[in-house]
Amino acid sequence: GNSVTQMEGPVTLSEEAFLTINCTYTATGYPSLFWYVQYPGEGLQLLLKATKADDKGSNKGFEATYRKETTSFHLEKGSVQVSDSAVYFCALIPVDSSYKLIFGSGTRLLVRP
Amino acid sequence: SAVISQKPSRDICQRGTSLTIQCQVDSQVTMMFWYRQQPGQSLTLIATANQGSEATYESGFVIDKFPISRPNLTFSTLTVSNMSPEDSSIYLCSVDRPESTEAFFGQGTRLTVV
Repeated sequence: GNSVTQMEGPVTLSEEAFLTINCTYTATGYPSLFWYVQYPGEGLQLLLKATKADDKGSNKGFEATYRKETTSFHLEKGSVQVSDSAVYFCALIPVDSSYKLIFGSGTRLLVRP
Repeated sequence: SAVISQKPSRDICQRGTSLTIQCQVDSQVTMMFWYRQQPGQSLTLIATANQGSEATYESGFVIDKFPISRPNLTFSTLTVSNMSPEDSSIYLCSVDRPESTEAFFGQGTRLTVV
């Protein structure tokens, strides 16, 4: 079946540190891949997405590259800020579903000043 | 984009009672979705609500426990029936825009059952 696996959190970093949150998936074909972010007290927001192999999604300094060969979509940021503290969810939409999002377990990021 | 308003934003309920959560979208959408986010866990799709037809429930969720209404293209409700402490979760409404492959989420309803 389809699934998403994320690294467990919490991830605690100092401001300006480099961030990587690992995400791997299991799915047939080429699913669409997403990173969503949930800031404290708010709903989910789309952070970035990629819909085909080797695509790179980017937004607000975050990047993730769709790697079919390793079935991965790792989230990276070169220099995190305190305001990036949130929960990050990796997700996919399977090829046989135009709408059903399948989420990873989420990774909490805490950035200290 | 889509602006989604959920009510209530949070509630504390007694076990055995029911709570209805409302979801209002600022534009017409074909499909609306309800997710559950249990404490410390990820989001799980409960059901898909299409206007004019019965909701489609995912495995593990049943209509008697989570009845859904979809009276028009901008509104839906989810009822959590006969609640128990295990129903304590955040419930989120979501809509999609097929042309953008993006899903939009409401801010969620944080439910605590005591």
